[in-house]
Amino acid sequence: AQSVSQHNHHVILSEAASLELGCNYSYGGTVNLFWYVQYPGQHLQLLLKYFSGDPLVKGIKGFEAEFIKSKFSFNLRKPSVQWSDTAEYFCAVNAGGGSQGNLIFGKGTKLSVKP
Amino acid sequence: NAGVTQTPKFRVLKTGQSMTLLCAQDMNHEYMYWYRQDPGMGLRLIHYSVGEGTTAKGEVPDGYNVSRLKKQNFLLGLESAAPSQTSVYFCASSSWDTQYFGPGTRLTVL
Repeated sequence: AQSVSQHNHHVILSEAASLELGCNYSYGGTVNLFWYVQYPGQHLQLLLKYFSGDPLVKGIKGFEAEFIKSKFSFNLRKPSVQWSDTAEYFCAVNAGGGSQGNLIFGKGTKLSVKP
Repeated sequence: NAGVTQTPKFRVLKTGQSMTLLCAQDMNHEYMYWYRQDPGMGLRLIHYSVGEGTTAKGEVPDGYNVSRLKKQNFLLGLESAAPSQTSVYFCASSSWDTQYFGPGTRLTVL
């Protein structure tokens, strides 16, 4: 069965520090990849997505992610975090393309940014 | 354009009671989903629908039923609630590529 692994359960950073959150998936075929963010008390919002083309994807709020097919990875990065980035981040994979009910989520990484 | 809305926002049930959660979307999306979110577990798909009148099981369907009588609505039912169903429930809808989520329903079963 397909699965998504997020390496860090909780990451604590100071403002202006750089961020990298790991995401690995297990599926050998075509995948669509997503990062969602959930701010405290709110619903999930899409940060960025990768379907094809340039493996370096830029999203909202200065986030980017790089798809490395050989490593089955889609790590999320931000060069300089802000206190307002405090949230939980979820990586998700859709195996085989489309979004017909087979979006698999990782367990999430909580990011706490200290002012 | 409200996007995806869910009612109610909060609910407390006693074991054995039943209830229905309503999800509505105004984006004319074909696909709709129900997830549950539990601490340390991420989101897990309960049921989904690829169009009006169709439903399918997801990863954790037991104890839940769904109906999609109208394209814009997707109902999640609990026939006999159990404490293990205490969770936050999220509805989502999509056209074909990206899922958009509702604000969630926090359900507690005592």
